[in-house]
Amino acid sequence: DAKTTQPPSMDCAEGRAANLPCNHSTISGNEYVYWYRQIHSQGPQYIIHGLKNNETNEMASLIITEDRKSSTLILPHATLRDTAVYYCIVRVGRDDKIIFGKGTRLHILP
Amino acid sequence: EPEVTQTPSHQVTQMGQEVILRCVPISNHLYFYWYRQILGQKVEFLVSFYNNEISEKSEIFDDQFSVERPDGSNFTLKIRSTKLEDSAMYFCASSTEGRQFFGPGTRLTVL
Repeated sequence: DAKTTQPPSMDCAEGRAANLPCNHSTISGNEYVYWYRQIHSQGPQYIIHGLKNNETNEMASLIITEDRKSSTLILPHATLRDTAVYYCIVRVGRDDKIIFGKGTRLHILP
Repeated sequence: EPEVTQTPSHQVTQMGQEVILRCVPISNHLYFYWYRQILGQKVEFLVSFYNNEISEKSEIFDDQFSVERPDGSNFTLKIRSTKLEDSAMYFCASSTEGRQFFGPGTRLTVL
């Protein structure tokens, strides 16, 4: 079973920042937080991951709380192409299988 | 940027027939995976493969399924005798530094 809790859906206006929350209250000290997304019928796409510190790449930022029990994925300037299902995943081994939950369906509104 | 490729994009078969789904992982990756997604449902893990052997498999991956890396580039999933419930999108993935990269998928339709 997935170890994370995410809202089933969210809306965001185009051009605004999309902030997607994730709760992972039972996360262990050696587990990473990963974010993937799946645009309709395509293969899942890696976005970002982190252990303790906040992370940023060309796609998004990941903010992890100090107690590591929750995190937020931030898409700084959402576009219509960011409409997708976003999955927050915790994993121990870096090459472990991914267990996908139901994710958050993000709708970007024009 | 390198990407995982899969062929065919769509496979239609009769129940009881064998199918082979093909994947070309990213060339310097060492870990390979197959997942499936039944229409409207979650993406489900099937099997992981490392160093020319299965490292983990799920309950779904029964004796009807097998995987192979026949040469240095291809990674295949074989279903020996397809069932109606095998109809799904099948995704291949390969991994480096903790990041899994997924292919575009093969849509398998079993009639």
